[in-house]
Amino acid sequence: GQQVMQIPQYQHVQEGEDFTTYCNSSTTLSNIQWYKQRPGGHPVFLIQLVKSGEVKKQKRLTFQFGEAKKNSSLHITATQTTDVGTYFCAGPADSNYQLIWGAGTKLIIKP
Amino acid sequence: DVKVTQSSRYLVKRTGEKVFLECVQDMDHENMFWYRQDPGLGLRLIYFSYDVKMKEKGDIPEGYSVSREKKERFSLILESASTNQTSMYLCASSAPGGGSEKLFFGSGTQLSVL
Repeated sequence: GQQVMQIPQYQHVQEGEDFTTYCNSSTTLSNIQWYKQRPGGHPVFLIQLVKSGEVKKQKRLTFQFGEAKKNSSLHITATQTTDVGTYFCAGPADSNYQLIWGAGTKLIIKP
Repeated sequence: DVKVTQSSRYLVKRTGEKVFLECVQDMDHENMFWYRQDPGLGLRLIYFSYDVKMKEKGDIPEGYSVSREKKERFSLILESASTNQTSMYLCASSAPGGGSEKLFFGSGTQLSVL
């Protein structure tokens, strides 16, 4: 069936280092959404990408949608403690348009 | 501020009990969803609803049912709770948009079935 794979599952970084998470879909997506879930919290929408090759920035966060609209990435520059949490990507299923979610990448700041 | 409210943050039930999880949204959204979240598995869709009294099965509906009698309320029912239904349950809502609308989530219910 249709899948969205997300890697890595965890990433440990020193504060100030960069962080990247990658999503790959088994099929072409009409759009991809990114969410952040803080520890103990619920997913909160960050952004949606729609166009092939699209790049969007939110302060230190850069989101990209691949040319083939099958992959996407989120890059955080110079991580801060406020960035800690799990980042999820999600894209609509072909069958019922409901979101299929990546497993998430947990960003952990090393003490 | 938009709000999706889940009735309980933590719930402990016994095997075989009937469990009701309630969700209310104040955004007049047509779409409502129930997900379960387990470590390493992401969010898995249990049921969703496009409108009052409408329901559709998601990816893992077995052992669950839902009810949507009013637009703002979507209930998840575990007819006979089992230990493998111990999980975080998240309710969400969205405007209609065929997979392109963002979801607003409730704070979640951590259900433990003993």
